[in-house]
Amino acid sequence: DAKTTQPTSMDCAEGRAANLPCNHSTISGNEYVYWYRQIHSQGPQYIIHGLKNNETNEMASLIITEDRKSSTLILPHATLRDTAVYYCIVRVLRAGSYQLTFGKGTKLSVIP
Amino acid sequence: GAVVSQHPSRVICKSGTSVKIECRSLDFQATTMFWYRQFPKQSLMLMATSNEGSKATYEQGVEKDKFLINHASLTLSTLTVTSAHPEDSSFYICSAVRPGRLPGTYGFAEAFFGQGTRLTVV
Repeated sequence: DAKTTQPTSMDCAEGRAANLPCNHSTISGNEYVYWYRQIHSQGPQYIIHGLKNNETNEMASLIITEDRKSSTLILPHATLRDTAVYYCIVRVLRAGSYQLTFGKGTKLSVIP
Repeated sequence: GAVVSQHPSRVICKSGTSVKIECRSLDFQATTMFWYRQFPKQSLMLMATSNEGSKATYEQGVEKDKFLINHASLTLSTLTVTSAHPEDSSFYICSAVRPGRLPGTYGFAEAFFGQGTRLTVV
């Protein structure tokens, strides 16, 4: 699976949009971009995933550049409960290959 | 959404004893489950892949005789830390794969995580 690069930490004011970048310049054509987050002392939580089109769900939006070498996770109105470590993972979806490789992620701090 | 329950959430045990951690998928069947370990201020590290009805596959450096994995049913996998030592103290997290379909692919699967087990060996 392709490697990702994320900033170590970011701050965001409560109520503002949080934009978390991820570089995956070596992504291959059949690899998906996944985002998970881990609130302190809890298991990771799935947020969103995409291949090449932008995606939106009730939690966030995922913007993938046209060349697919980078993406941005957007939390439209950050709350204090969004403080967590956010992991960007790229992976191939194929039968028998379901494991996730976690990097160091971005520690997002939402500030009152 | 899919729910994965992990039990216990926190356990303290004496050095030399064994501890069993359970991971259950509550509303779907999971033929594949994973066990991760996370030390303080570090990321999750995959320990092993648990497949229902067959032997687990361990990552390099993980002792299979120390970390016993049993996946006896489609909704339950257990991790037993045998003869625990203080260096085994860590946050253990399981994930269960919910199979599904995504147009244009085969074998799309989404991983859902348990809430984790904080093991402290004293």
